[in-house]
Order: sequence, then C-alpha cells, then structure tokens
Amino acid sequence: DAGVIQSPRHEVTEMGQEVTLRCKPISGHNSLFWYRQTMMRGLELLIYFNNNVPIDDSGMPEDRFSAKMPNASFSTLKIQPSEPRDSAVYFCASRGTSGTGNEQFFGPGTRLTVL
Amino acid sequence: RKEVEQDPGPFNVPEGATVAFNCTYSNSASQSFFWYRQDCRKEPKLLMSVYSSGNEDGRFTAQLNRASQYISLLIRDSKLSDSATYLCVVNSGTALIFGKGTTLSVSS
Repeated sequence: DAGVIQSPRHEVTEMGQEVTLRCKPISGHNSLFWYRQTMMRGLELLIYFNNNVPIDDSGMPEDRFSAKMPNASFSTLKIQPSEPRDSAVYFCASRGTSGTGNEQFFGPGTRLTVL
Repeated sequence: RKEVEQDPGPFNVPEGATVAFNCTYSNSASQSFFWYRQDCRKEPKLLMSVYSSGNEDGRFTAQLNRASQYISLLIRDSKLSDSATYLCVVNSGTALIFGKGTTLSVSS
C-alpha cells in the first residue's frame, strides 16, 4: 500500500503567486482531510471531505484558500494569492470506514515557504 | 480555553526513565481519544487509542478520566527511539482535534 501521497514535498514561491498542493488518499478511504501545521498554532484542520463532498471548511483561513476533491482519488488545496504567513507544512490525511476506526493516515506533507 | 491542551515540554530524560504526559480537553461531549506520535519533520502517526478503562501497549499506558476531561500517556523504560513529539488527539464527533504536542528527548 503506497499510503497517502502528497506533491510537491517542498514548495518555495514568492508572495502573490498561486500555489497548488495535491493529495492522493489511500485507495478505498472515503474521508480526506487537509491540515496546516506551524510552530505557533500546531496542527489545524482546514477542511475535510466525505465521499468527495466538503463537510466542514470552517478551518479555511480566508477566501484565498480553496480545496476541491473531483474524485475519490485526488484532492487539491489552492492558495491564491499566497502570502508569507501561509508558510507552513500542509498535511493531507485519509480515513476509511471499516477496520481502521477513527485512525487517520497522514501523507508526508508539503513544506511551503512563501517569500 | 483551547480545545486540547498539553504541556509542550521539552521533557529531557535518560534512557530507562519513566515519563508521563498529560492532556486536558474542553469538550465534554468528546467521543474518542488518541495519542499520535510525530518524529521531527515527519507526519503524525497513530500511537494508540485511549479507552475509558485504560489500556496498555508494551511500554506505553494510556488512561482517560472523563470526569476531569483528562488524558495521560505513560512511557516506561524509555528508549532513544522514543524521542519524538506526542500529540494528544480528541474526536469531537466530526473531526479530530490535535493538541500542540509534548516533545520528548531521551538521551543515553
């Protein structure tokens, strides 16, 4: 099993540029989560999807952030325009419906630096 | 009050020591509880679930006190490989809420 796949692993961009982060959940998992982690705020839930439908996006910081899940095997998190305060590690996680209970499996993360 | 609070540490202990981490949560309706482990520059991974009756997994013991809204993790006979950040996690119905983590450093 390949686990949750995220790309890119590192992204360095300049303020004002658009950034797109990608995630492929574990096959068969029906829930997908996007998190952001910083030293100051820890791990924060941004948005989660159930069966490709956004269920809770209350953690999305502002309109510059958007997320989509066009099918069960792919999701994107877009920041447009990016700002230096968006610099963080962005994790995607997925969860199945049986056997694993509430366990979420995290991808390796995307380390974003906005200059 | 933050939803999940932990002492950030760091806890610096010698090999073989016993160390305990504590966590409090604010939502009394929380349904399930976990400890995740996160190594430096890696993703969080599930360490163990926490059950009302307390549960043990090798050197690790987790306990839950619903009345006090308090969760603990005890590590016995610490190993160098236990060095990591330990995240207290609470499921409040729809999603997991993570504490900021407690950092453990085990030295020889």
